Amino acid sequence: GIQVEQSPPDLILQEGANSTLRCNFSDSVNNLQWFHQNPWGQLINLFYIPSGTKQNGRLSATTVATERYSLLYISSSQTTDSGVYFCAVFTGANSKLTFGKGITLSVRP
Amino acid sequence: DTEVTQTPKHLVMGMTNKKSLKCEQHMGHRAMYWYKQKAKKPPELMFVYSYEKLSINESVPSRFSPECPNSSLLNLHLHALQPEDSALYLCASSPLGTSGRSYNEQFFGPGTRLTVL
Repeated sequence: GIQVEQSPPDLILQEGANSTLRCNFSDSVNNLQWFHQNPWGQLINLFYIPSGTKQNGRLSATTVATERYSLLYISSSQTTDSGVYFCAVFTGANSKLTFGKGITLSVRP
Repeated sequence: DTEVTQTPKHLVMGMTNKKSLKCEQHMGHRAMYWYKQKAKKPPELMFVYSYEKLSINESVPSRFSPECPNSSLLNLHLHALQPEDSALYLCASSPLGTSGRSYNEQFFGPGTRLTVL
């Protein structure tokens, strides 16, 4: 099945810093989503981005489908950005959303 | 309404109990999902319902029994669970494409944190 690798596994930032989170996948995909899981467990949709670039406030994402990677940019980080960021991809081959292992982000005041 | 709701938020049950988890969405989505998430791991798919019919069962033990009574509701019936079944159970929904498959954006509920004693 498709492999989804996220890097780095852990990230510690000072409040106000910028960061880039990476997601590599091993096959072509029909769908790619970025989620933020907060400390209470809620998975919050950040982006649905099978290809191209999108921006939402301090967050933006770029997926280069032909090169099989996606990047999530966080600018001017805040303590509320702390949590786990998951990349998940959907392929027609197995009809299910396959998650990466996640990136744990800690933003310190 | 763009949210998926789940009840209860927390559940503690013994190994001989029978309980149910409930999930509801009013976004008109015709695909609904159950996921299980253990601590420090990504969510793992358990079941997929498409047009209220079970379309995917990821070899889940029969002590977990899903049910989709209508297009807005999804239940997960629990019976004779083991302590290793303790986890966060997440429900999700998404629109279905014209082919009956869903590559579309999935929306997750807040989850039920289950503890089996």
